[in-house]
Amino acid sequence: KAGVTQTPRYLIKTRGQQVTLSCSPISGHRSVSWYQQTPGQGLQFLFEYFSETQRNKGNFPGRFSGRQFSNSRSEMNVSTLELGDSALYLCASSPGGSGGLEKLFFGSGTQLSVL
Amino acid sequence: GENVEQHPSTLSVQEGDSAVIKCTYSDSASNYFPWYKQELGKRPQLIIDIRSNVGEKKDQRIAVTLNKTAKHFSLHITETQPEDSAVYFCAALEGGNYQLIWGAGTKLIIKP
Repeated sequence: KAGVTQTPRYLIKTRGQQVTLSCSPISGHRSVSWYQQTPGQGLQFLFEYFSETQRNKGNFPGRFSGRQFSNSRSEMNVSTLELGDSALYLCASSPGGSGGLEKLFFGSGTQLSVL
Repeated sequence: GENVEQHPSTLSVQEGDSAVIKCTYSDSASNYFPWYKQELGKRPQLIIDIRSNVGEKKDQRIAVTLNKTAKHFSLHITETQPEDSAVYFCAALEGGNYQLIWGAGTKLIIKP
């Protein structure tokens, strides 16, 4: 079974630009969640999607948005990039359903650098 | 909302000794507690998890204990080996809420 795939692996953007990150979950998994990871800051929850519906959202500004398609693939968008948005963005998939966010499988992440 | 505190932030142990990492949570409705291991430059991976109706769970050299009354859970690694060196994250799943609240992580260093 293929794992969670995130593209692109690396991104370099400048302030004010926008960016779209992609995540393909494990086949059969219907839940996709997104996390921001910065050195020393652990994992910050962005949002979670299940069957194309956002079930929960973390404490991030509205510049961070996402969506999920009918094939469970998910995208995350960040508009008007700021220097502080530089981070590793991880997505994770899980079977979802009543189990919610149990047994997450993470992708390798997208390393975003904002200059 | 839920808050998870993880201690210590860094733990250095001699190879072969045991390591214990502790997390406390605030929401008594939380019902699922996973531990993830993230090696340098790699993705986090689930190593063990426990539900609120269980007090202890073991898997070879690792174990997790849960004290619901005190609202804390701990990761125990026995006979530590160099490959145990990593950052370990605990988390708590809020009851009825599709959100995992994460601890800040513990960097475990195994000294040869």
